[in-house]
Amino acid sequence: GEDVEQSLFLSVREGDSSVINCTYTDSSSTYLYWYKQEPGAGLQLLTYIFSNMDMKQDQRLTVLLNKKDKHLSLRIADTQTGDSAIYFCAGTWDGTASKLTFGTGTRLQVTL
Amino acid sequence: DTGVSQNPRHKITKRGQNVTFRCDPISEHNRLYWYRQTLGQGPEFLTYFQNEAQLEKSRLLSDRFSAERPKGSFSTLEIQRTEQGDSAMYLCASSPPRGGQGANNYGYTFGSGTRLTVV
Repeated sequence: GEDVEQSLFLSVREGDSSVINCTYTDSSSTYLYWYKQEPGAGLQLLTYIFSNMDMKQDQRLTVLLNKKDKHLSLRIADTQTGDSAIYFCAGTWDGTASKLTFGTGTRLQVTL
Repeated sequence: DTGVSQNPRHKITKRGQNVTFRCDPISEHNRLYWYRQTLGQGPEFLTYFQNEAQLEKSRLLSDRFSAERPKGSFSTLEIQRTEQGDSAMYLCASSPPRGGQGANNYGYTFGSGTRLTVV
């Protein structure tokens, strides 16, 4: 099956930019997503990118996709304490674009 | 649109007992998914439905697990003879038919989950 890897932890200061990285093994992705999970809560869709795109910007969020290196990143500009959470990258790699495969999650800690 | 609703939020059960969880998806969504998330891990796919048809089941879904979506609306996930290893957060998600409009069309809306603790 598809392997999706993320670094476990990232600490940034409030106001700085955060960059969360994700790598995957199968190049035949269709859609790629970033989800945010706060303690005890479900998953909140932050943004998504189609596999035929290289970049997508949505307010403070920028997603970069490097298909050659099978690398996806999420940049959060002007990181706030409310951004502290676990961030998951996820994608669909089956032809029907049905089930999501998730990464291991990156815990973002924002310090003052 | 009240989002995806899951009940109960928390369930504590003794080993060997049966438990059932319910998921109410967004009404216009025809696809419904069940995921399991253990501590420190990302969610793992269990099964999904398109309308009332169960189209795929993961190998994680042992014979003790059964999911239904009888009328293509809400779904139930039952675990029989629970084991301590079943302790996890069970997440439900739904998604609309492909080809619709809206930025979230290509996303999956998740519920808040049911946290199961088997003692």
